[in-house]
Amino acid sequence: AQSVTQLDSQVPVFEEAPVELRCNYSSSVSVYLFWYVQYPNQGLQLLLKYLSGSTLVKGINGFEAEFNKSQTSFHLRKPSVHISDTAEYFCAVSWSNQFYFGTGTSLTVIP
Amino acid sequence: EAGVTQFPSHSVIEKGQTVTLRCDPISGHDNLYWYRRVMGKEIKFLLHFVKESKQDESGMPNNRFLAERTGGTYSTLKVQPAELEDSGVYFCASSQLQTLEQYFGPGTRLTVT
Repeated sequence: AQSVTQLDSQVPVFEEAPVELRCNYSSSVSVYLFWYVQYPNQGLQLLLKYLSGSTLVKGINGFEAEFNKSQTSFHLRKPSVHISDTAEYFCAVSWSNQFYFGTGTSLTVIP
Repeated sequence: EAGVTQFPSHSVIEKGQTVTLRCDPISGHDNLYWYRRVMGKEIKFLLHFVKESKQDESGMPNNRFLAERTGGTYSTLKVQPAELEDSGVYFCASSQLQTLEQYFGPGTRLTVT
């Protein structure tokens, strides 16, 4: 089985500041990596995914993530956040046809 | 194109009662998944259908949970009898065969009192 660790349960950040949401996973074998976002009263929406190739992955809404195999990390970043980015963010690993999620990081953007 | 829908959005029941959750996947998606998130914890896999067949139900907590997907379209998840620890948000997701990207519904928040 896999485990996904999102160390930061809550991240407050001022508007237009940069943000990094951390994600580490347990596997040493090949996995597929995802970040999902959940806005209030909505389902999870895919932000970006890493399947193979370039380790820097760009997603929607200006987010990007970098796959680091040696550190088994897949941190999510945005250079300048907006109020509308306030949401909960989930890191996930796909392995053996199952998805394993982290506990989520609640991002609050402060005006 | 309509997304994944789930009904009801909220359900409050008493311990010992029965509840049935419904999920309508995106049309044409043969894969259907159920997940559960207990408050403050990770989203956990419950089971996976391919069309009407259960591909993997290793995440089902116990035999009080019964999932069905008759005809390979919508799915139901029944909890009978409900216990306090069943409270949480139940998510459904669907995807096309041979693809990894899953599309999630808004979830059903179940509260057992």
